[in-house]
Amino acid sequence: KAGVTQTPRYLIKTRGQQVTLSCSPISGHRSVSWYQQTPGQGLQFLFEYFSETQRNKGNFPGRFSGRQFSNSRSEMNVSTLELGDSALYLCASSMRTGEANYGYTFGSGTRLTVV
Amino acid sequence: AQSVTQLGSHVSVSEGALVLLRCNYSSSVPPYLFWYVQYPNQGLQLLLKYTSAATLVKGINGFEAEFKKSETSFHLTKPSAHMSDAAEYFCAVIFSGSARQLTFGSGTQLTVLP
Repeated sequence: KAGVTQTPRYLIKTRGQQVTLSCSPISGHRSVSWYQQTPGQGLQFLFEYFSETQRNKGNFPGRFSGRQFSNSRSEMNVSTLELGDSALYLCASSMRTGEANYGYTFGSGTRLTVV
Repeated sequence: AQSVTQLGSHVSVSEGALVLLRCNYSSSVPPYLFWYVQYPNQGLQLLLKYTSAATLVKGINGFEAEFKKSETSFHLTKPSAHMSDAAEYFCAVIFSGSARQLTFGSGTQLTVLP
């Protein structure tokens, strides 16, 4: 059973540019969440998508956005990149139904460096 | 505000010694609790989870954790450390009413000494 796939693994972008990251969840999982990991702020929740709808959003500026497609694949976009956006971006998938299915499976992440 | 506290950002143990990583949360309502491990340049791997069943939860790689409501704690233990256990460990919580959002502790870097 394939895991959560995130592409690309590494990205280098310049301040002011925009970037799109991709996440393919485990087959059958319909919920995709995104987290940002930085040395200073730790792991912070960005947003969750389920059935192509954003269900929950963390405390991030509007430059951070996302979407989910009918096959449950998700993308997140960051516009007007700032140096502080340099981070490991992690995607997690879940079935989102039933208490026993709580707990997300994470991908290996995309390491974004803004220069 | 609801929070997760991991006591000790760095823990060192000798190979074969007991591993104890501490996690406390702030909530009067028992939440869902998780431990994740992260190896360098990798994502997060789920070690174990508590979802209101047995208070002693067994996970992968010989780890276990005990949910103590009175102490609002969910400490992670392993009887005998192995060199391959060296990694960063994160306690995470889904608080009641948080719409399934994981709130993470700041992490504990475990070093295993030969």
